[in-house]
Amino acid sequence: GNSVTQMEGPVTLSEEAFLTINCTYTATGYPSLFWYVQYPGEGLQLLLKATKADDKGSNKGFEATYRKETTSFHLEKGSVQVSDSAVYFCALSINTGGFKTIFGAGTRLFVKA
Amino acid sequence: NAGVTQTPKFQVLKTGQSMTLQCAQDMNHNSMYWYRQDPGMGLRLIYYSASEGTTDKGEVPNGYNVSRLNKREFSLRLESAAPSQTSVYFCASNQRQGGSYNEQFFGPGTRLTVL
Repeated sequence: GNSVTQMEGPVTLSEEAFLTINCTYTATGYPSLFWYVQYPGEGLQLLLKATKADDKGSNKGFEATYRKETTSFHLEKGSVQVSDSAVYFCALSINTGGFKTIFGAGTRLFVKA
Repeated sequence: NAGVTQTPKFQVLKTGQSMTLQCAQDMNHNSMYWYRQDPGMGLRLIYYSASEGTTDKGEVPNGYNVSRLNKREFSLRLESAAPSQTSVYFCASNQRQGGSYNEQFFGPGTRLTVL
């Protein structure tokens, strides 16, 4: 079946540290891949996406590359800020007789000043 | 544009009571979704509507019903609430473009507690 696995949190970093949140997926076809971010008390919002192998999604200093050979879509940022503290969700969207989005469990990030 | 709106924001029910969560979107999207979010479990799809007039079960539909009232509105009903339905509920919408669906747009959520 289709699934998304992402690293468990919480992840705690100091400001300006390098961030990696791992995400791997299982899919029977060719999914689109997404990272969503959820700030406290809010709904999810799209952070970045990639629709085919080797595509790199980027936004607000975050990047992720669609790696078909390793079925991965790891999220990275070179220098995190306190304002990046949030929950990050990796997700895939695939046509299984109707497009559905499957979300990972989420990774909570705390950034200390 | 307001995007996706949900009402109410908070609700407390007693076991056995019923209620309807309302969702509306003003982006002219065809598809709408209801999810529940529980700690450590990410988002789980309850029901979705690929287009006006159609609804389908998701991963966890038991205890819920939905109505796609028109293209804008998609409601979720709990007929007889149970403590296991204590959760945060999110409505989302998106639009098919070419051969795939675009990202989903989420409402702010409804925090439901069933005592």
